[in-house]
Amino acid sequence: ETGVTQSPTHLIKTRGQQVTLRCSSQSGHNTVSWYQQALGQGPQFIFQYYREEENGRGNFPPRFSGLQFPNYSSELNVNALELDDSALYLCASSGLAGGPRGYEQYFGPGTRLTVT
Amino acid sequence: DAKTTQPPSMDCAEGRAANLPCNHSTISGNEYVYWYRQIHSQGPQYIIHGLKNNETNEMASLIITEDRKSSTLILPHATLRDTAVYYCIVRVAHDNFNKFYFGSGTKLNVKP
Repeated sequence: ETGVTQSPTHLIKTRGQQVTLRCSSQSGHNTVSWYQQALGQGPQFIFQYYREEENGRGNFPPRFSGLQFPNYSSELNVNALELDDSALYLCASSGLAGGPRGYEQYFGPGTRLTVT
Repeated sequence: DAKTTQPPSMDCAEGRAANLPCNHSTISGNEYVYWYRQIHSQGPQYIIHGLKNNETNEMASLIITEDRKSSTLILPHATLRDTAVYYCIVRVAHDNFNKFYFGSGTKLNVKP
């Protein structure tokens, strides 16, 4: 257990719809990253939020957007869903580097999104 | 933009050491190597990380070659519960954030 929670666990949407996924960070962590994990692949970085601002982004189109709230919980929004968006979406929270585990990211269990 | 290469699968007998290799030939001097594992349908879990020295903790050992182009994760006494996908990761410091580059992972099958 990492203390990072995600909701919902599973979700089925239709192509063209919009979806919002939610993440609650581990207590004391001010940074959250979102990843997309297609079946049989490693997680791919979508973006990162630090103190409510996006401060880094991977190779994902603008229809992938996010929010981070003052309590450091976070949302991932995906508009105009495509079939290829079907994946496990993971969020990971982290605090300051320099501890015994460096810049460790604590992952939640993920949300399984299926687009039909 | 994969920065690591791993074999897709490996087998290991229970109680024996599991040695999982990873190539990261384009790694730069200030980029760290991390290892995480993912048990089916769960989020990845931290194992160990290092820069250039060998590292050991309660879970595993990490051996990094002198030229830093490859590394090996060692689970000294594998158990059935170590069956998982193991990811070798390079952490890259960008302007104002750190990005984890995951490889495709090695599925470790620990057999009785």
